[in-house]
Amino acid sequence: DTGVSQDPRHKITKRGQNVTFRCDPISEHNRLYWYRQTLGQGPEFLTYFQNEAQLEKSRLLSDRFSAERPKGSFSTLEIQRTEQGDSAMYLCASSPWGGLDGYTFGSGTRLTVV
Amino acid sequence: AQTVTQSQPEMSVQEAETVTLSCTYDTSESNYYLFWYKQPPSRQMILVIRQEAYKQQNATENRFSVNFQKAAKSFSLKISDSQLGDTAMYFCAFNNDMRFGAGTRLTVKP
Repeated sequence: DTGVSQDPRHKITKRGQNVTFRCDPISEHNRLYWYRQTLGQGPEFLTYFQNEAQLEKSRLLSDRFSAERPKGSFSTLEIQRTEQGDSAMYLCASSPWGGLDGYTFGSGTRLTVV
Repeated sequence: AQTVTQSQPEMSVQEAETVTLSCTYDTSESNYYLFWYKQPPSRQMILVIRQEAYKQQNATENRFSVNFQKAAKSFSLKISDSQLGDTAMYFCAFNNDMRFGAGTRLTVKP
């Protein structure tokens, strides 16, 4: 297993466009998490899945954001009608049930909205 | 509400010396797990150490150890014999609500 993979590594988009990011977790991990991180700040929780079920979604997440994990394996995070404030690093992490051993993070997708 | 607070935005330490990073948290749960993560510049986040709340013994991983004070809801990270490669952002995290602290930027000086 090569760890948690995120694609793309970098994305530059024009304001108003839609973007989609992909995360491939460690195959044995049934939990998958999405975080957003701005420069010099801690990761901000967005949402998480247990298998294919989305169990929690941050109140900070606007309706422009949606995430899926259709078969309980990879996940996608879509941002519609991007705004400059969406510019950030989007981190994906996975863990076995409960996250008791901590999370394994991917390298992130850096989004720049121009 | 559950929160994680790191009160030291930045710290520095001389190579080979010891430094302690602070973290406090708030929870009504009795059983939980606490973590310290390291994020080197432009590199991905990695787990440094974890502590189970029901264990009184402080966790240790090589040069990294924690001082876990459950009653005080305090969870500090001690780095001994600091190395240049320890330069990074350090985040305290809490598994029950998947939240992270704001981080402490540690610089190890030669």
